[in-house]
Amino acid sequence: GAVVSQHPSRVICKSGTSVKIECRSLDFQATTMFWYRQFPKQSLMLMATSNEGSKATYEQGVEKDKFLINHASLTLSTLTVTSAHPEDSSFYICSARDWQISTEAFFGQGTRLTVV
Amino acid sequence: SQQGEEDPQALSIQEGENATMNCSYKTSINNLQWYRQNSGRGLVHLILIRSNEREKHSGRLRVTLDTSKKSSSLLITASRAADTASYFCATDSRGGGGADGLTFGKGTHLIIQP
Repeated sequence: GAVVSQHPSRVICKSGTSVKIECRSLDFQATTMFWYRQFPKQSLMLMATSNEGSKATYEQGVEKDKFLINHASLTLSTLTVTSAHPEDSSFYICSARDWQISTEAFFGQGTRLTVV
Repeated sequence: SQQGEEDPQALSIQEGENATMNCSYKTSINNLQWYRQNSGRGLVHLILIRSNEREKHSGRLRVTLDTSKKSSSLLITASRAADTASYFCATDSRGGGGADGLTFGKGTHLIIQP
């Protein structure tokens, strides 16, 4: 299957700082990328959907000014957690799809964010 | 987005036994997928079943789909210790009024006792 690379895998940051997470599709062009958040022992919750070159669509309850998403190219999407707080500590996972090729979504390895 | 329900939430069985997990969902779907997640790691795609399919096999995995009941089951036969993980179902409802992203169930935590 196609490969989606997410970086970093783990990050610890101080409260009030911003953290950027990258998601790259390595061998296909991702027309759509998704960002999910997963709290311990819980399921994945969709945060936002981004299409290349357009603004992201955020799910209800997700603050767009806090979770900045940029999908500037067909192979790269970034999620920036701005002014992070301890309650933002979570596992963030990106997913990418190319609708022209497959209905399957390919997932990154996830990023464990800890805000101290 | 709405989430499906999975049962059981936790399942502990002996190695070699079969494990069955169920998933229910609420919206119309294009397909339903099952994923495995080892603790603290990313997702591994296991199998996809389309809305017009009723059963699908892949190795030791067997998935069924009943769209009239909006439910699916995942059967893992001859379980192994390495099967210990959390298993999630995810529905794809693109174009049907649902989100373009997958909607995940709450997951079943499977423990295989050696």
